[in-house]
Amino acid sequence: EDQVTQSPEALRLQEGESSSLNCSYTVSGLRGLFWYRQDPGKGPEFLFTLYSAGEEKEKERLKATLTKKESFLHITAPKPEDSATYLCAVQAGTGGFKTIFGAGTRLFVKA
Amino acid sequence: GAVVSQHPSWVICKSGTSVKIECRSLDFQATTMFWYRQFPKQSLMLMATSNEGSKATYEQGVEKDKFLINHASLTLSTLTVTSAHPEDSSFYICSARVDRGHGEQYFGPGTRLTVT
Repeated sequence: EDQVTQSPEALRLQEGESSSLNCSYTVSGLRGLFWYRQDPGKGPEFLFTLYSAGEEKEKERLKATLTKKESFLHITAPKPEDSATYLCAVQAGTGGFKTIFGAGTRLFVKA
Repeated sequence: GAVVSQHPSWVICKSGTSVKIECRSLDFQATTMFWYRQFPKQSLMLMATSNEGSKATYEQGVEKDKFLINHASLTLSTLTVTSAHPEDSSFYICSARVDRGHGEQYFGPGTRLTVT
């Protein structure tokens, strides 16, 4: 069964304290892995798409990496404005190409 | 680029009435649009997928007669909640994708529905 698991559920960091969020997945034929940021009361904001193992993408303090079983979202020297829920999603290559979302990691960055 | 709008951003209606929510892709053509529902502190729950010009595909457990979806053009999809009840109160979010088969989704800002 296709599945996406994100860990930890919540992460509290001090400003400047770098860390990583994990997204583990089991899917038949990965067509793409996506990272989104969601602020309370708003729709998710697209961050990255990764297609194959070894691929990396960066945007400001965020860097996403992909292996055959998991993806990491590395946050370098986070700021309070990075506080949000980060969602990981994968699109399977079978079963109608559905996109499956993880439950998210709630990140809190304290000044 | 890749902006999706939703209207209204919030709505309060009385039990038994119907409410229509619009989702528009502003700067791209969306062959596929999705409707999600989200409860507080929970992840997205896919309700249905619609391809332009075709009938929507509903997820298991979602009543198609209650949640009417129309995707009449490449830039507009609507969700109508018919005969709304308090348990339909939720945060509804649409998303749009350029390609029918793959690629990232771009999300709207969401609509907060409260049924009294």
